[in-house]
Amino acid sequence: NAGVTQTPKFRVLKTGQSMTLLCAQDMNHEYMYWYRQDPGMGLRLIHYSVGEGTTAKGEVPDGYNVSRLKKQNFLLGLESAAPSQTSVYFCASRAGVFWGQETQYFGPGTRLLVL
Amino acid sequence: KNEVEQSPQNLTAQEGEFITINCSYSVGISALHWLQQHPGGGIVSLFMLSSGKKKHGRLIATINIQEKHSSLHITASHPRDSAVYICAVKKVGGSEKLVFGKGTKLTVNP
Repeated sequence: NAGVTQTPKFRVLKTGQSMTLLCAQDMNHEYMYWYRQDPGMGLRLIHYSVGEGTTAKGEVPDGYNVSRLKKQNFLLGLESAAPSQTSVYFCASRAGVFWGQETQYFGPGTRLLVL
Repeated sequence: KNEVEQSPQNLTAQEGEFITINCSYSVGISALHWLQQHPGGGIVSLFMLSSGKKKHGRLIATINIQEKHSSLHITASHPRDSAVYICAVKKVGGSEKLVFGKGTKLTVNP
């Protein structure tokens, strides 16, 4: 099993450009998350999904959109990139809602630089 | 004030030393997580606990709900333990959001 994978690993964008980050998991997990990690700050939740076809806002959702059309994939979109969105983005998944299923499995991260 | 505080921010140890990393939180929680972020950036979940103590190999995590405090201990530390250790809490009645600490950077020298 590959676990959680993220595409791309690194990307440079110009201000105003758009892009989509792809997260894929092969563990049949229900829950998926997108986080951003910035220097001097803890991980912050952008959006999450509790199942196929569902999405919800996290702590810092502005400027991002997400979709979960298939259970195994969670896409994060930036419609008009801004330098403030320069960050490392992590995707994570977990099996379900019950105790013991709360461990989150993280992808390797995507480093995004917006000029 | 951050809801999750970790100490110390940075820690340097010699191989073989006993390591303690602390996490204090100011909210009611249903669970506390310890994660490890490798120098290459990958994040691995180490423990999830709501009471008592858990042990995995040389790692031990404890939590005191009354004092709102958790510790992560590493026995017989090794250079491969060098990483950033992150504490995160799930708030009672909260949604899916975990509140993360800023991490403790551990360097173990040979």
